[in-house]
Amino acid sequence: DVKVTQSSRYLVKRTGEKVFLECVQDMDHENMFWYRQDPGLGLRLIYFSYDVKMKEKGDIPEGYSVSREKKERFSLILESASTNQTSMYLCASSFPDRNQPQHFGDGTRLSIL
Amino acid sequence: AQTVTQSQPEMSVQEAETVTLSCTYDTSESDYYLFWYKQPPSRQMILVIRQEAYKQQNATENRFSVNFQKAAKSFSLKISDSQLGDAAMYFCSHSGGSNYKLTFGKGTLLTVNP
Repeated sequence: DVKVTQSSRYLVKRTGEKVFLECVQDMDHENMFWYRQDPGLGLRLIYFSYDVKMKEKGDIPEGYSVSREKKERFSLILESASTNQTSMYLCASSFPDRNQPQHFGDGTRLSIL
Repeated sequence: AQTVTQSQPEMSVQEAETVTLSCTYDTSESDYYLFWYKQPPSRQMILVIRQEAYKQQNATENRFSVNFQKAAKSFSLKISDSQLGDAAMYFCSHSGGSNYKLTFGKGTLLTVNP
């Protein structure tokens, strides 16, 4: 089975801190994604990566950056955390074909105080 | 821009009965795929069913089936013989455009009553 592992299930940080969310997949997927999930808004794409060191902005990239140094690992970085970044963050991965579903991690519930 | 609309924020169904979740989408693509995902409470999002746009036959996976109307850009999910374990948030999504990104609807929260 495909395994997408997010480093933390719950995380509490303070305003202004630099926050790292880590995601690792074990299926050699080329594509990796970071989403933000908020009630009533569904899933919104923050960033995605289609290869090592390659990235593309999603719909809501402001305040975030990403890093993909190795194929299996995709990190989401909040440069200076703010309270409006309190949310559920989901990582996903997939093969680069339109018929391939994305496989999701368990999510990280991030609270910024 | 691609959009996906789920017009029912919440639905409920009695155990063993059938329920249909609605989804419409907008796209200029001719080649695309549609997916329904399920997110149980505090659990991982998983794929329920997928549909290829160029196939007229509706996809079926056990108790889950879709009604795909390409001209109307409609992709509804039917759950037959509903079970308590079907209670979850359901997301409709569309893949198309560059790099195979998915566009998601806002979700429908399904409650199954015993």
